Amino acid sequence: DAKTTQPTSMDCAEGRAANLPCNHSTISGNEYVYWYRQIHSQGPQYIIHGLKNNETNEMASLIITEDRKSSTLILPHATLRDTAVYYCIVRGRDDKIIFGKGTRLHILP
Amino acid sequence: DVKVTQSSRYLVKRTGEKVFLECVQDMDHENMFWYRQDPGLGLRLIYFSYDVKMKEKGDIPEGYSVSREKKERFSLILESASTNQTSMYLCASNRDPQDYNEQFFGPGTRLTVL
Repeated sequence: DAKTTQPTSMDCAEGRAANLPCNHSTISGNEYVYWYRQIHSQGPQYIIHGLKNNETNEMASLIITEDRKSSTLILPHATLRDTAVYYCIVRGRDDKIIFGKGTRLHILP
Repeated sequence: DVKVTQSSRYLVKRTGEKVFLECVQDMDHENMFWYRQDPGLGLRLIYFSYDVKMKEKGDIPEGYSVSREKKERFSLILESASTNQTSMYLCASNRDPQDYNEQFFGPGTRLTVL
């Protein structure tokens, strides 16, 4: 079973920041938070991951709460091409990646 | 650009046929994975491999087998295809899970078994 809870779907206006929440209240100390996305008819694409500190790369930012029980993926300026299903995944060193149902993000023109 | 390729994007087979799905990665990754993706069920791991000739069962290995004769190639085999194996099949690879690095996915093969 996936160790995360995400909203089923979200809308965001084009050009605005998309904030995707994820709850992982049972996360343990050695587990990382990963985000992937899957655009229709394509394989999943890695976005970002983190352990405790906030992370940023060219695609997104990841904000992890101090207690690590939840996190938020931020796409700073959403475009239509960001329409996809976004998966939040928690995994440890020897764990397989388990994908839950994700959040279907719709970017509205 | 790193790449994971799969032999077909779409495949239609008949019940009872033997089906081979091929996956090739050009990143010299040790680990390769086969998933299937079904509506409402997300991605489920079928088999994975940490090295040439090594294989491990995932969550749903029944009805499938795999082959890893070369580092860059990981094949998924349906010995006798059934209609409940109609699905999207995704291959992935990564360097070393203990490096916490990401998995790279192929474009997927949509298999229909009639």
